[in-house]
Amino acid sequence: GENVEQHPSTLSVQEGDSAVIKCTYSDSASNYFPWYKQELGKRPQLIIDIRSNVGEKKDQRIAVTLNKTAKHFSLHITETQPEDSAVYFCAASDYSSASKIIFGSGTRLSIRP
Amino acid sequence: ETGVTQSPTHLIKTRGQQVTLRCSSQSGHNTVSWYQQALGQGPQFIFQYYREEENGRGNFPPRFSGLQFPNYSSELNVNALELDDSALYLCASSSRLAGGLYEQYFGPGTRLTVT
Repeated sequence: GENVEQHPSTLSVQEGDSAVIKCTYSDSASNYFPWYKQELGKRPQLIIDIRSNVGEKKDQRIAVTLNKTAKHFSLHITETQPEDSAVYFCAASDYSSASKIIFGSGTRLSIRP
Repeated sequence: ETGVTQSPTHLIKTRGQQVTLRCSSQSGHNTVSWYQQALGQGPQFIFQYYREEENGRGNFPPRFSGLQFPNYSSELNVNALELDDSALYLCASSSRLAGGLYEQYFGPGTRLTVT
């Protein structure tokens, strides 16, 4: 069945450094890839998404890249800040039907002061 | 914060009982999806409702069922509760238009504990 693998499961970076989280997906029909940030005890919040007609999207310190051939997509956070500490989830779905969105298992990002 | 609300916030049930969870979607949204999030895991897709009909289902047994009402709010019903059903249940609302499904926004969740 469809699967999304996410790595690493935990990531600790020095404040100001960059963080990269990687995901792979199995369903070739997937064409919509959102990323969510979930702080402890709170709901997942959409932080950025990308559709398969583009290879990269950027929003201030956050960027996402997509390699459809390899079925890889990645989240890049630059100039990390303490408030970036959270669990990050990648997800994949078929945008046109979107009847199922498959999430990765999450990456716990810690920013060291 | 999003306009998606869920009730109740927390719930404790006994194995074998039935539970109903509720979700009010954000204004203007016509699609509601339900997810189960076990501790330390990513959300697992249960099903999605669009225009009061089920529009896709994940790998959950039939004892997980749902409804969507004309105002697009939704219910998740779970029968014959099992200990493994203990989790955070999230609903997410979005708009399904001709071009596809737009971004979904999550509610705060209902924490269900089955003892």
